[in-house]
Amino acid sequence: EAQVTQNPRYLITVTGKKLTVTCSQNMNHEYMSWYRQDPGLGLRQIYYSMNVEVTDKGDVPEGYKVSRKEKRNFPLILESPSPNQTSLYFCASSPRLAESNEQFFGPGTRLTVL
Amino acid sequence: AQKVTQAQTEISVVEKEDVTLDCVYETRDTTYYLFWYKQPPSGELVFLIRRNSFDEQNEISGRYSWNFQKSTSSFNFTITASQVVDSAVYFCALNSGTYKYIFGTGTRLKVLA
Repeated sequence: EAQVTQNPRYLITVTGKKLTVTCSQNMNHEYMSWYRQDPGLGLRQIYYSMNVEVTDKGDVPEGYKVSRKEKRNFPLILESPSPNQTSLYFCASSPRLAESNEQFFGPGTRLTVL
Repeated sequence: AQKVTQAQTEISVVEKEDVTLDCVYETRDTTYYLFWYKQPPSGELVFLIRRNSFDEQNEISGRYSWNFQKSTSSFNFTITASQVVDSAVYFCALNSGTYKYIFGTGTRLKVLA
């Protein structure tokens, strides 16, 4: 089944404790992206990756890191989480932009930082 | 700068009523794509439609229809004869052929039985 998976789905952590949210897609998509969803703010793009080893900042990259060492995986790293990073996070993937840019979204990760 | 505005924060309708969700966008690019996504109460994001800037034809899919008007920079979404299962948050999004996507803040639709 074609899908985007995220782990964990739910996470409660404390300020300053490094964490990684994994994202994996099995559709051989070149493009992957991370979003956060907050009430009243919609979805905001954190980082995106056009292909392996190619990443760039979205609109709200502060406090986050990403890497794209393999085509299928795009982990989101919070080196020192803070309470303002409490949010619902979505990973998405898409085929090459020239072909189609509909995004396929993962199920979401609800993160709470105390 | 690119921007997507969904001015309607929440709409409530009674089942079988028609409802239109508004989406106004801003971009200086001549090539761009507009999207609608649905987020039901279960939380996942479901793709509904993509429209490119060169195709202003309206689209109908069952009870759903979309009206794209470049003259007013709008891409509105109408649900005809709404049903309770249509209750969700709906997002409009813009991609200008770069790798950035801009989403609106969403419209929560409540369809009451």
